[in-house]
Amino acid sequence: AQSVAQPEDQVNVAEGNPLTVKCTYSVSGNPYLFWYVQYPNRGLQFLLKYITGDNLVKGSYGFEAEFNKSQTSFHLKKPSALVSDSALYFCAVRDGGDTDKLIFGTGTRLQVFP
Amino acid sequence: ETGVTQTPRHLVMGMTNKKSLKCEQHLGHNAMYWYKQSAKKPLELMFVYNFKEQTENNSVPSRFSPECPNSSHLFLHLHTLQPEDSALYLCASSQEQGAAGEQFFGPGTRLTVL
Repeated sequence: AQSVAQPEDQVNVAEGNPLTVKCTYSVSGNPYLFWYVQYPNRGLQFLLKYITGDNLVKGSYGFEAEFNKSQTSFHLKKPSALVSDSALYFCAVRDGGDTDKLIFGTGTRLQVFP
Repeated sequence: ETGVTQTPRHLVMGMTNKKSLKCEQHLGHNAMYWYKQSAKKPLELMFVYNFKEQTENNSVPSRFSPECPNSSHLFLHLHTLQPEDSALYLCASSQEQGAAGEQFFGPGTRLTVL
């Protein structure tokens, strides 16, 4: 069965510091991995995805994520956080094999302090 | 804002009411989805339509009834709901079900059942 875990409910970081939001996954086939961000009273916005190829994926707003097959992780990173990055971040996984159901994590709230 | 719109943005209804949520996508996609987002829970996939055909019903109670008259429009008809159905209902679309592309989300309808 597919699953995705976001072990931190909240991540706090000072503006200008690097940030990491963690995600681990479990699928039986090759994973398709996604990160989404949700601002208050808004739907989810796509940030980036990993399907195949380079393990380091660059996305919107300066975010990037590294696919690590051995650790089954897909952590979201940004070198220098902005206050405007404060939002709810969701990791999602889909098994690229038989099923195409997208499974979301419970979300991590990122709070960037000035 | 994305190319997926949802109306109404907020809805308050009694348990005996009948109402409908509407979703429209302007992206030329062929797959549309309904999700339920409750506090502190992962996004729950409710229904999937691919080329107007329902392909997924994730054990959703019959008081929720989806309708997809064409690839651009998706409805969720509600009747005799329960207070625990109060949540944010998100619509999403993608190029087609099973492809590697990301899903695009609407802003959601915040539903409150009294």
